[in-house]
Amino acid sequence: QQQVKQSPQSLIVQKGGISIINCAYENTAFDYFPWYQQFPGKGPALLIAIRPDVSEKKEGRFTISFNKSAKQFSLHIMDSQPGDSATYFCAASSDSNYQLIWGAGTKLIIKP
Amino acid sequence: DAGITQSPRYKITETGRQVTLMCHQTWSHSYMFWYRQDLGHGLRLIYYSAAADITDKGEVPDGYVVSRSKTENFPLTLESATRSQTSVYFCASDRAPEKEQYFGPGTRLTVT
Repeated sequence: QQQVKQSPQSLIVQKGGISIINCAYENTAFDYFPWYQQFPGKGPALLIAIRPDVSEKKEGRFTISFNKSAKQFSLHIMDSQPGDSATYFCAASSDSNYQLIWGAGTKLIIKP
Repeated sequence: DAGITQSPRYKITETGRQVTLMCHQTWSHSYMFWYRQDLGHGLRLIYYSAAADITDKGEVPDGYVVSRSKTENFPLTLESATRSQTSVYFCASDRAPEKEQYFGPGTRLTVT
C-alpha cells in the first residue's frame, strides 16, 4: 500500500511532442505528489508538485494532472525539447510523514 | 557556498572495510536523508533524521550506520562494506514544513 507505481520505464519522444509519464498509488493518506527531474551525474531536483485539492497544476511547459478517484497522477511535458532529456521520478507522501515514497523512475529521451 | 555537499564524490574500497560518506548542508534544514540509487530500483531510503540526535531507519538500513550530532552534518557509515553496497549515494535535506528535498551531488561508491 506504500508503493508508487510509475510507467513507462523509458520513453522516447520527438522534439516538439508531448511527453506523458504516469504514476499510481494505493495509500489514500497521501496528500503531496511531487515530480523530480534528474540529469546524469546530478542529484534529483524538484520540478513541480501538487496537492489533492486541485486537479491540475501548470508551470511553464510542465503540467501535473491529478485524478483522486483513480488514485493516479501524471506529468505532461508540452513542446518537449532535447534539454528535457532526463530521468523523472514521481513521489508521494502523507502529512504525518516526511518520507517520500518514490516511483522507479522514467528515462525520457527527446529526439531532435 | 550555501547548499548541500557530499564527500568524497568517488570512492573505491575493498570488501570488509569501513567507509564513511559525509554530508553537509548550510541551510539548517531539520530533516536529512540518505538514499541509494541503483539501476532498476530508483531511490531507496537508507536512513533519515528529523533533527540532531534523532535518526530513524528507512527502507534498506542493514549494513549502514548514521549519526547526527550537529544539524548540518549527517554522515553515513558502512561498517563492513560488501559488493552489494556498490551504488550511488545521495544525501538530501528538507526544510520543514515544506517537503521539497534538496539533493547533494552524490557519491559513487564501488566495493571490490
